[in-house]
Formats: sequence, C-alpha cells, structure tokens
Amino acid sequence: AQSVTQLDSQVPVFEEAPVELRCNYSSSVSVYLFWYVQYPNQGLQLLLKYLSGSTLVKGINGFEAEFNKSQTSFHLRKPSVHISDTAEYFCAVSRSSGNTPLVFGKGTRLSVIA
Amino acid sequence: DTGVSQDPRHKITKRGQNVTFRCDPISEHNRLYWYRQTLGQGPEFLTYFQNEAQLEKSRLLSDRFSAERPKGSFSTLEIQRTEQGDSAMYLCASSQTGDNEQFFGPGTRLTVL
Repeated sequence: AQSVTQLDSQVPVFEEAPVELRCNYSSSVSVYLFWYVQYPNQGLQLLLKYLSGSTLVKGINGFEAEFNKSQTSFHLRKPSVHISDTAEYFCAVSRSSGNTPLVFGKGTRLSVIA
Repeated sequence: DTGVSQDPRHKITKRGQNVTFRCDPISEHNRLYWYRQTLGQGPEFLTYFQNEAQLEKSRLLSDRFSAERPKGSFSTLEIQRTEQGDSAMYLCASSQTGDNEQFFGPGTRLTVL
C-alpha cells in the first residue's frame, strides 16, 4: 500500500517570496508522483507529474518539484508566488503499473499575503 | 473537449434517503474513477472502471454504495440509506489507458441532515 504525508497543513507566504510545500511518500512498489491544485469551488487540476527520467520536473504556473528516491520525497517549489497561487495543494502517488488509483495526502493550504 | 462533468453539483438529503450522482467523463477516456473528499482531507479512492468493468473497489465502499458504468461512458454512484457520515464532496475523474493523468470534475457536494 502507498501513503502520502504532507508535512504542513498551512503555509502563509508573502507575495513574490519563494515557497516550498513538502511531501513524503511510502510505498513497497515503484510509484508515480503528482501534485494537484484545488482552487476554491473548483475541481483538482494537475500541476506536474513525475513518471521517470529527470528528477526535476517543471509544471504549470512556474511550479517545479524534485523527486528524491533516497528520501522518498517530492517537494513542490516556486521561486516567486502570486496572490493567485492561493489554493489547496495535494501531493499524490499511484502505482507505476499505470492508470491506477491515486493516493492523496491531506493537502497544504497555501495563503499568499499581499 | 468539455472536461469531466458531474451532476448535481450540490445535494441535500435527509438521513435514510437514497441519492444518485452522475459523472460524464471526457469522451475518449476509457477509465473512470470515483473519490470522496471530506473537509480538511485529501480525496480518498472509492472505485474505478475500465470501460464498463469495475476493476477495483476500496474498503471505504460499504454495501450501501454502488457504482455502475453500463455502457462504458457515463457512470452513476448510488448511496442507499444515507448517513450523516456520508456528507462529503464526491469527485469523479477520467483518464485514457496509457496516460497517467487523471482529469477531475468539479465534484458533487452531499450534505446529509
């Protein structure tokens, strides 16, 4: 079975400051890793995903994440946040056998302060 | 491509009543997933289909829950004899075999009084 731990439930940050949202996972099999964003009253939107290859993954809206197998982490970063980045962010894993259900963390609420 | 749609967006019901939700996936997607999200939690997997076949069910899916995808297109999720603990956002997602990205609908928010 897989599990995901998002280490911070809330992260306040000032506009134009950098941010890192932390995610650790546990799995006995190979996994794919994902970050989703959920804006208020909207569905989940994929930010980025790691399947294989380069451990540094770039996504939409200037976000990037780095897969670290030895530390079983997949932290999300952005060098300069905007007010519009205020949202709930979810880290998720799935078995790498493909098209399998996602296991999500509890989410991190990013609040960008003007 | 109109995305994944769900109906209704909101449902308020009394305890003990039955409810049914509908999900229409992206048209060419053959995989369809149901998740449940409670306040302050991440989505939790309930069940998924490939075409009309239900491939996996979570332990969360009690006997009061049933899901169907009769023609391999839209899906329904029915909850019988609703309980207050069923109050949650029910999310549907779809994907194409070979593509690991799941596309999510806006969800159906269920409130059981």
